[in-house]
Amino acid sequence: DAGVTQSPTHLIKTRGQQVTLRCSPKSGHDTVSWYQQALGQGPQFIFQYYEEEERQRGNFPDRFSGHQFPNYSSELNVNALLLGDSALYLCASSPAGAYEQYFGPGTRLTVT
Amino acid sequence: SQQGEEDPQALSIQEGENATMNCSYKTSINNLQWYRQNSGRGLVHLILIRSNEREKHSGRLRVTLDTSKKSSSLLITASRAADTASYFCATHGFNKFYFGSGTKLNVKP
Repeated sequence: DAGVTQSPTHLIKTRGQQVTLRCSPKSGHDTVSWYQQALGQGPQFIFQYYEEEERQRGNFPDRFSGHQFPNYSSELNVNALLLGDSALYLCASSPAGAYEQYFGPGTRLTVT
Repeated sequence: SQQGEEDPQALSIQEGENATMNCSYKTSINNLQWYRQNSGRGLVHLILIRSNEREKHSGRLRVTLDTSKKSSSLLITASRAADTASYFCATHGFNKFYFGSGTKLNVKP
């Protein structure tokens, strides 16, 4: 049983560009959450998707948007990249109603 | 901010010793969880304690929760070199998750 997978592993972008990160949840999980983790900090909650809808959102600007597909996989899109968007982006999945989250290995985004 | 905050920020102990780390948070919660992260990779769930529980055990882990003080502690007994990692508490409330800044544990062999 594959766990949570994320792609790509690493990404380098230039300021002002747009990026799309992808996540496939663990089998049987239908809820996906995205987090941003800056170096030396804890993960910051971006948003959570359930039944293809954004269910909850953290304190992130509208430049951060997402999508969940019918197969429960998800994308995180970031527009107009800033240097401060450089971070490890983590995806976590869980079954509906469960609190325990299963994390993917993350995508390391570097904005130059 | 509702974010949990861990204390200490860093902890260095010898193999076989116990490690205790603390977490404080600011608002009411449904539950509190502890996660481990190795070298900037994905987090691994360790244990969950609900707001109506005071103590929970899982293997070498013991978690306590004091909702009146809005604090939790994680005790790792008989530590091993493989326990070297960053440990985060995460609070869940209003369908949002809040992670603290973590305790970096170094267990020396």
